[in-house]
Amino acid sequence: DTEVTQTPKHLVMGMTNKKSLKCEQHMGHRAMYWYKQKAKKPPELMFVYSYEKLSINESVPSRFSPECPNSSLLNLHLHALQPEDSALYLCASSQGGSSGSYNEQFFGPGTRLTVL
Amino acid sequence: GEDVEQSLFLSVREGDSSVINCTYTDSSSTYLYWYKQEPGAGLQLLTYIFSNMDMKQDQRLTVLLNKKDKHLSLRIADTQTGDSAIYFCAESIYEKLTFGTGTRLTIIP
Repeated sequence: DTEVTQTPKHLVMGMTNKKSLKCEQHMGHRAMYWYKQKAKKPPELMFVYSYEKLSINESVPSRFSPECPNSSLLNLHLHALQPEDSALYLCASSQGGSSGSYNEQFFGPGTRLTVL
Repeated sequence: GEDVEQSLFLSVREGDSSVINCTYTDSSSTYLYWYKQEPGAGLQLLTYIFSNMDMKQDQRLTVLLNKKDKHLSLRIADTQTGDSAIYFCAESIYEKLTFGTGTRLTIIP
């Protein structure tokens, strides 16, 4: 199984709502990632979890809160978002490992988020 | 910081070769990747090259790396309509993957 799954596919939320995005992989990968991709732009890294610990936070606003309940699951909790947060949110996973080693990231299909 | 640069658009006639170029920023990148993104979809890894290599061939794909100029290219031979997509190069530093600006490849029948 070389698949990363993400739910939901689409999400529309108001600025006062609280919602969560979910990501799952069963490849035994130890690193998981959240990316944000605006239209016609490349993906931008938000968070990295390595061995279930947050290892990178790219200065993401606190209205985005990641959680890694176990090595197969990654959540992104959303609260009080702004319309400019509307984007495609991509999850990825990789083997993890030492720096300089091959570290292919497998991407999920993304959740398209619209904030009204 | 500096961007990983790519040309925004490329149009190629079906059956011709496509060459997509990328200028990356960090000479300490150990691996460089090419990803493909079709409309409304996630990213699919096409191929990669280790930084001590000059060239890598994988079926219709050829990757060339000029480390001195920090220049990477992807050649797609015999381009087909199914190759229409956005192509991103990416440099890898530790756990971080930094993507290029993306090249939209359009195939002319």
